[in-house]
Amino acid sequence: AQRVTQPEKLLSVFKGAPVELKCNYSYSGSPELFWYVQYSRQRLQLLLRHISRESIKGFTADLNKGETSFHLKKPFAQEEDSAMYYCASWASGNTPLVFGKGTRLSVIA
Amino acid sequence: NAGVTQTPKFQVLKTGQSMTLQCAQDMNHEYMSWYRQDPGMGLRLIHYSVGAGITDQGEVPNGYNVSRSTTEDFPLRLLSAAPSQTSVYFCASSYTAADYGYTFGSGTRLTVV
Repeated sequence: AQRVTQPEKLLSVFKGAPVELKCNYSYSGSPELFWYVQYSRQRLQLLLRHISRESIKGFTADLNKGETSFHLKKPFAQEEDSAMYYCASWASGNTPLVFGKGTRLSVIA
Repeated sequence: NAGVTQTPKFQVLKTGQSMTLQCAQDMNHEYMSWYRQDPGMGLRLIHYSVGAGITDQGEVPNGYNVSRSTTEDFPLRLLSAAPSQTSVYFCASSYTAADYGYTFGSGTRLTVV
């Protein structure tokens, strides 16, 4: 079965510091991977997906098949980045997205 | 486009009561799903549907029923509410299982007392 692990429940960084939110997946094939963001009391929004290889709000994520990781990075954190971040994996066919437990990012001024 | 609309936004139930959480989308998405969000537990899949008339169970289906009579609507029924069902419920939809990611509703915050 697919599993997505986000090892940190809470990550606190200072404004302007680099950010890395960790995500590891367990699936032997080639999953599609996503990062979702949820700002305070709002709906989840798609932040980025690995297949598009784009940068959104300064965030990037690289798929490392050898380490089965899809860590989310940003070189300089901003206060408005404070939110809950979820990594998600999709295997194939009609299987639903599997989400990690989320990491709360707190950017301190 | 309204996207994914969930009603109600808030609800308080007494133990044993039943209710239906509504979810509607106007994007002609085939794939719809229900998740519950609990602190420290992340998002857990309750039920999902790959099209009208087709539903399947997710990780935590007990105590919930779903049906999908139309492409647009995917209601979630609580049969006999329990305090353990206190949670925030999110509905999501997409064209297929995950090709462009999910569009989420704004959530229903349910408290069972």
